[in-house]
Amino acid sequence: GESVGLHLPTLSVQEGDNSIINCAYSNSASDYFIWYKQESGKGPQFIIDIRSNMDKRQGQRVTVLLNKTVKHLSLQIAATQPGDSAVYFCAEDIQGAQKLVFGQGTRLTINP
Amino acid sequence: DTGVSQDPRHKITKRGQNVTFRCDPISEHNRLYWYRQTLGQGPEFLTYFQNEAQLEKSRLLSDRFSAERPKGSFSTLEIQRTEQGDSAMYLCASRGEGNTEAFFGQGTRLTVV
Repeated sequence: GESVGLHLPTLSVQEGDNSIINCAYSNSASDYFIWYKQESGKGPQFIIDIRSNMDKRQGQRVTVLLNKTVKHLSLQIAATQPGDSAVYFCAEDIQGAQKLVFGQGTRLTINP
Repeated sequence: DTGVSQDPRHKITKRGQNVTFRCDPISEHNRLYWYRQTLGQGPEFLTYFQNEAQLEKSRLLSDRFSAERPKGSFSTLEIQRTEQGDSAMYLCASRGEGNTEAFFGQGTRLTVV
């Protein structure tokens, strides 16, 4: 079956706090990973990506960490804002497969 | 707007009817994908085109489903003899060359009654 999954289905954090969303993957041939954000009724929106030859990549308020040894991916969001409330998906691109495989997602709720 | 465009945004149809959805990808992208998403789940891969060639189809894509990309630009996804289980969000995405992100459209939400 498809290999990408997430540890937690829901996560609630206080506004201003940092959040960490985790993802496990099982296909060691995956060479590219993406985090997407999806708001209700909308399509997934790209947040940040990372290639398998890297272990960390930073964007604006977001950081993705990749641990290939344990096949684990995480998304860190700093100083969360109400607009960060959404469902977050990790997706993996299996080398040569040319398609993105998605996990089930984590719903992030930011409490005021 | 140069993003991925899908039409219609919403479709309600009676069971047994045929429906067709359209996707217009980002113009310079040669790869186009269709995904299906049900409530609380991640997008599930349906099919993939590189230019006009349909290179992969998921086992989820029964013989009632057909997708085309006749000129390597826009794509259509048709569902024949719709069933209630077909109710879902149908997402289209396009990608450029290599390891790049897929850009998604806003989806077509299908409700079969």
